Amino acid sequence: NAGVTQTPKFQVLKTGQSMTLQCAQDMNHEYMSWYRQDPGMGLRLIHYSVGAGITDQGEVPNGYNVSRSTTEDFPLRLLSAAPSQTSVYFCASANQGAKNIQYFGAGTRLSVL
Amino acid sequence: AQSVAQPEDQVNVAEGNPLTVKCTYSVSGNPYLFWYVQYPNRGLQFLLKYITGDNLVKGSYGFEAEFNKSQTSFHLKKPSALVSDSALYFCAVRAPQAGATNKLIFGTGTLLAVQP
Repeated sequence: NAGVTQTPKFQVLKTGQSMTLQCAQDMNHEYMSWYRQDPGMGLRLIHYSVGAGITDQGEVPNGYNVSRSTTEDFPLRLLSAAPSQTSVYFCASANQGAKNIQYFGAGTRLSVL
Repeated sequence: AQSVAQPEDQVNVAEGNPLTVKCTYSVSGNPYLFWYVQYPNRGLQFLLKYITGDNLVKGSYGFEAEFNKSQTSFHLKKPSALVSDSALYFCAVRAPQAGATNKLIFGTGTLLAVQP
């Protein structure tokens, strides 16, 4: 089982560039989410989705867009990268329901110069 | 507002000794509490959760956690630490207005270092 797959693993951008972080899961999970991990701040929720066609904002959504056209895929778009978006990004998925555990991808390490 | 605190940035313990990683929470309503572990250059992995029932929860790799409602704590414990337990540990609580969704609030993480 592949689980949650994130690509790329590493990326360096210049300020103002755009890019898409890919996330795919093969567990037929309804819930998917994006977090960023910064030193001393833990994981903060960027955006999440409870099913295809449904997305919502998390704690730190500014500067990021998402879409959910299929159950499997949940890409995260940076339209105009800023140095403050330098971080490690994690995608997670879960069966719908607050009691269910989340499965995480291996992460994308992004540097914005 | 829902929140979770991990008061220690790092915990050092000798191999074979018991370990405790602390977590306190603030919630309205019934708390759903989770522990996740992150090994270097990896994503988070689920360890254990408390939803309801027995206050002592057993999880993966010999870890357990004790839910204490009066002290609003959910400390992670293991009777005998292994060097391979060295990792970053996160406590998490169900987010406010999460409803039926899986939204969580994570603590800032505690780095566990087990010395041989």
